[in-house]
Amino acid sequence: GESVGLHLPTLSVQEGDNSIINCAYSNSASDYFIWYKQESGKGPQFIIDIRSNMDKRQGQRVTVLLNKTVKHLSLQIAATQPGDSAVYFCAEPLNQAGTALIFGKGTTLSVSS
Amino acid sequence: DADVTQTPRNRITKTGKRIMLECSQTKGHDRMYWYRQDPGLGLQLIYYSFDVKDINKGEISDGYSVSRQAQAKFSLSLESAIPNQTALYFCATSSGNPGQPQHFGDGTRLSIL
Repeated sequence: GESVGLHLPTLSVQEGDNSIINCAYSNSASDYFIWYKQESGKGPQFIIDIRSNMDKRQGQRVTVLLNKTVKHLSLQIAATQPGDSAVYFCAEPLNQAGTALIFGKGTTLSVSS
Repeated sequence: DADVTQTPRNRITKTGKRIMLECSQTKGHDRMYWYRQDPGLGLQLIYYSFDVKDINKGEISDGYSVSRQAQAKFSLSLESAIPNQTALYFCATSSGNPGQPQHFGDGTRLSIL
């Protein structure tokens, strides 16, 4: 079946560095992708999304890049802070009906001071 | 997200027991979802509902059932709990527009002995 996966389960960076979290997807028909952040003991929180007709979208300190040719998306966090330490998930629609999501396995980002 | 409330937050029970996890929301969203999260894995969709009369199976519905009692309430039941259903369970809501983010509760940690 279709699945969303991440390249690395863990990523460790120093405070102030830029972080890049990657995700490979397999459903070429997905028309949007979403990144979520999950802090310890909490539910996932929406960070940013991108529609399939875009290749880049920027938010506050975060940028998502979409490469449909190789079915890859990435989340870039600028000037990473200790508060960015969390598990990051990419997600895509379960089906064309719209809003139910399939999640990747997650990347744990650890930021050291 | 305090607008999505899950009860109980923690539950320990025995194999064979019937368990109900409850979710209520004040966001006024039509769509609600139940996910399961296992250590090191992403969230897996169990069931979802687009309105009070609508119930849909997700990726892993076997062994679970749901009830959408009202727009604001969506409960998940394990009819006869088994140890491999030990996991973290999340409820989420969204509006009806594809691409709109899901809003998650803080989860129910369920342990089945």
